[in-house]
Amino acid sequence: GAGVSQSPRYKVAKRGQDVALRCDPISGHVSLFWYQQALGQGPEFLTYFQNEAQLDKSGLPSDRFFAERPEGSVSTLKIQRTQQEDSAVYLCASSLTDKETQYFGPGTRLLVL
Amino acid sequence: QKEVEQNSGPLSVPEGAIASLNCTYSDRGSQSFFWYRQYSGKSPELIMFIYSNGDKEDGRFTAQLNKASQYVSLLIRDSQPSDSATYLCAVMPGTASKLTFGTGTRLQVTL
Repeated sequence: GAGVSQSPRYKVAKRGQDVALRCDPISGHVSLFWYQQALGQGPEFLTYFQNEAQLDKSGLPSDRFFAERPEGSVSTLKIQRTQQEDSAVYLCASSLTDKETQYFGPGTRLLVL
Repeated sequence: QKEVEQNSGPLSVPEGAIASLNCTYSDRGSQSFFWYRQYSGKSPELIMFIYSNGDKEDGRFTAQLNKASQYVSLLIRDSQPSDSATYLCAVMPGTASKLTFGTGTRLQVTL
């Protein structure tokens, strides 16, 4: 079956612009996670949804970051007033249920100029 | 102390040899442990997971877990050039669903 998909794959933004990153999880997967990966580092947790409920947003670096999953399927990560330090790969992962193996999408590479 | 620590490498092994990748973690309550492989410019791909102390084998890969020592390892037998990648150790605490990753170990398998 289809894996996790993300769009866009690449995004170049000017500093101060708002961006929206989309994640389409594996069909039937209840849990959805967003991670941020800086160059040469491991992914870092941003936020987690179980169905439409955002259960953990402790990793969001500032109030400029906002995520939603209104119908319990597709999720959007929005970054307002982008800064250069937001440049990273944003990875989405889904799992069948809580605490099971997470499968990653291809990521969105964001470059803020 | 970082929550999950790995040697960044590069770890260089000749083709056909055994590659040994190590990871330590700080949260004693951690329940689940994962190894992901990440090729340059690609996303992490699951290699193995392990929950219980001891060894778990899958083909050329063996994961080892020692909760008392807070240590996880991945052995790759008969290393191939296609195994050259960064290997990420990830830990799931007992109280949360998120993964905490190490910085990854870069493996180079030489001909």
